Amino acid sequence: DTGVSQDPRHKITKRGQNVTFRCDPISEHNRLYWYRQTLGQGPEFLTYFQNEAQLEKSRLLSDRFSAERPKGSFSTLEIQRTEQGDSAMYLCASSGYRDQETQYFGPGTRLLVL
Amino acid sequence: GESVGLHLPTLSVQEGDNSIINCAYSNSASDYFIWYKQESGKGPQFIIDIRSNMDKRQGQRVTVLLNKTVKHLSLQIAATQPGDSAVYFCAEVTTSGTYKYIFGTGTRLKVLA
Repeated sequence: DTGVSQDPRHKITKRGQNVTFRCDPISEHNRLYWYRQTLGQGPEFLTYFQNEAQLEKSRLLSDRFSAERPKGSFSTLEIQRTEQGDSAMYLCASSGYRDQETQYFGPGTRLLVL
Repeated sequence: GESVGLHLPTLSVQEGDNSIINCAYSNSASDYFIWYKQESGKGPQFIIDIRSNMDKRQGQRVTVLLNKTVKHLSLQIAATQPGDSAVYFCAEVTTSGTYKYIFGTGTRLKVLA
């Protein structure tokens, strides 16, 4: 399977714990995006990378959230001191040089904070 | 798997009929638009796109119409099939200046047998 993959698919954690999610984009894609989606809503943009550079961050991305893409390939999204309001689906997408605007999404990581 | 969009607007159509899903976008500077399909427990899947210099684009069984005057986008699905049941999102993209990629709230399509 050469699509976008995310790990884990599901995560249950207690409030106050830290969690880290991983995204592996389509291999030749230079752009990688993170979104958050809650029930009944469309995905909300969090941040995106072009190669290893983080080019834009949404105001939704509080200082408890950090994303990295150290080698321009996979990316991690870490949430520190999780809160119940962080419970959501976290989606990763990637796009390539030839068609930058068309994003291909992974299956998402469903986070539940108890 | 979990449900996507429990409280979304819902469109119910008979199998074999045509479906039209509408979307109002917000930014007149948006220059690219995409329709995505999302099934329960999965990430959004690209369906079709259209650039702002076009008003219509056709794919296989799908057509996207763009009316920039009223900032309206629609997705037409011909001969709707049970496998088309999902939540459909439009996304507007601004590629000039600050890059913006904004999803609409979505419409649930239910195909009745």
